[in-house]
Amino acid sequence: AQSVAQPEDQVNVAEGNPLTVKCTYSVSGNPYLFWYVQYPNRGLQFLLKYITGDNLVKGSYGFEAEFNKSQTSFHLKKPSALVSDSALYFCAVSPRSNDYKLSFGAGTTVTVRA
Amino acid sequence: DAGITQSPRYKITETGRQVTLMCHQTWSHSYMFWYRQDLGHGLRLIYYSAAADITDKGEVPDGYVVSRSKTENFPLTLESATRSQTSVYFCASSQGAPYNEQFFGPGTRLTVL
Repeated sequence: AQSVAQPEDQVNVAEGNPLTVKCTYSVSGNPYLFWYVQYPNRGLQFLLKYITGDNLVKGSYGFEAEFNKSQTSFHLKKPSALVSDSALYFCAVSPRSNDYKLSFGAGTTVTVRA
Repeated sequence: DAGITQSPRYKITETGRQVTLMCHQTWSHSYMFWYRQDLGHGLRLIYYSAAADITDKGEVPDGYVVSRSKTENFPLTLESATRSQTSVYFCASSQGAPYNEQFFGPGTRLTVL
């Protein structure tokens, strides 16, 4: 069975500083990996995904993530955080099969202070 | 309008009552999903559907029933609500491949008293 760990419940950064949200996963074989963001009282929005190829994936709103197979990690990064990036972030993993069961981490709350 | 909608957005019910949460999408996506979101657990899959009349259990299916008679609708029924089913429920849809992102509805906040 697959699983996702987001080791930090909360991440606090100052506006303009780099932002990193950590994610590690466990899955049989090679995974599909996703990041989603949730703003208050809203559904989840897709940010980016890793399917294959380049380990550095670029997504929406200036976010990027690096797939590291040896460390089974998929950390989300943004070079310069904005106050508007304050939200709840979820990492998710799916095995490379016809199984559509996406497993989510518990989420990391990001607060960017002005 | 195109997208994925859920109704009601908020619902309060009592233990033992039957409750149905509605989900409608206009993209003709083949796959639809129901999740519940609870603090500390992230999102957990309840049921999913690959197409009309095809459904399958997720991680936490007990106490829930789904149907999918039409591609665009995927209702979730709590046959006899319990307090442990108090949660925020999200419906999602995606095009037919595991590497495709899912599109989420706005959620239904359900309180069972």
